Amino acid sequence: AQSVTQLGSHVSVSEGALVLLRCNYSSSVPPYLFWYVQYPNQGLQLLLKYTTGATLVKGINGFEAEFKKSETSFHLTKPSAHMSDAAEYFCAVSSYSSASKIIFGSGTRLSIRP
Amino acid sequence: DSGVTQTPKHLITATGQRVTLRCSPRSGDLSVYWYQQSLDQGLQFLIQYYNGEERAKGNILERFSAQQFPDLHSELNLSSLELGDSALYFCASSSRSGGLETQYFGPGTRLLVL
Repeated sequence: AQSVTQLGSHVSVSEGALVLLRCNYSSSVPPYLFWYVQYPNQGLQLLLKYTTGATLVKGINGFEAEFKKSETSFHLTKPSAHMSDAAEYFCAVSSYSSASKIIFGSGTRLSIRP
Repeated sequence: DSGVTQTPKHLITATGQRVTLRCSPRSGDLSVYWYQQSLDQGLQFLIQYYNGEERAKGNILERFSAQQFPDLHSELNLSSLELGDSALYFCASSSRSGGLETQYFGPGTRLLVL
């Protein structure tokens, strides 16, 4: 069975500060990992994904995430927050053996302070 | 724009009624997924269709049903509506590349049951 835990339902940072959104997963098989962003009144948009290979994954809008197998983590970071980054972020996990079953975390709402 | 379209954008109806939500997947995508997003339950997988056939079932109520048509568009039917069915309903379509399935979400249908 797979599961995803996002630590912190709400994160607030100042504009220009580092963004760190935490995600830990549980999977008995090699995972595929995703981060999605949901802007207000919109659907989910894929930010980045990890399959195999390089553990540091770069996504859109300056975000990146690092897969750490030893820590079962896939935290999302951005060096400098912009006001436009305010949104809800979802971490998700699937695997080759269950590619059609993507399990989503409960989401983290990111607020940006001027 | 993900390429997935959903209609209608908003729907207001009364308890006991029946509604149909429509989804058109990205060109070439054979899989369609339906999700429900509510404040208390988060993002929940309902059901998946692949090329017209049901592939996977999640937390879908018996009052809900779906189908995928030969042109690959899908409809989610919600009947005997209850207040608690008020939520955002997302459709996603997916493509598989190199063993990885990536889902692309539509903008959602916001359902309000009064």
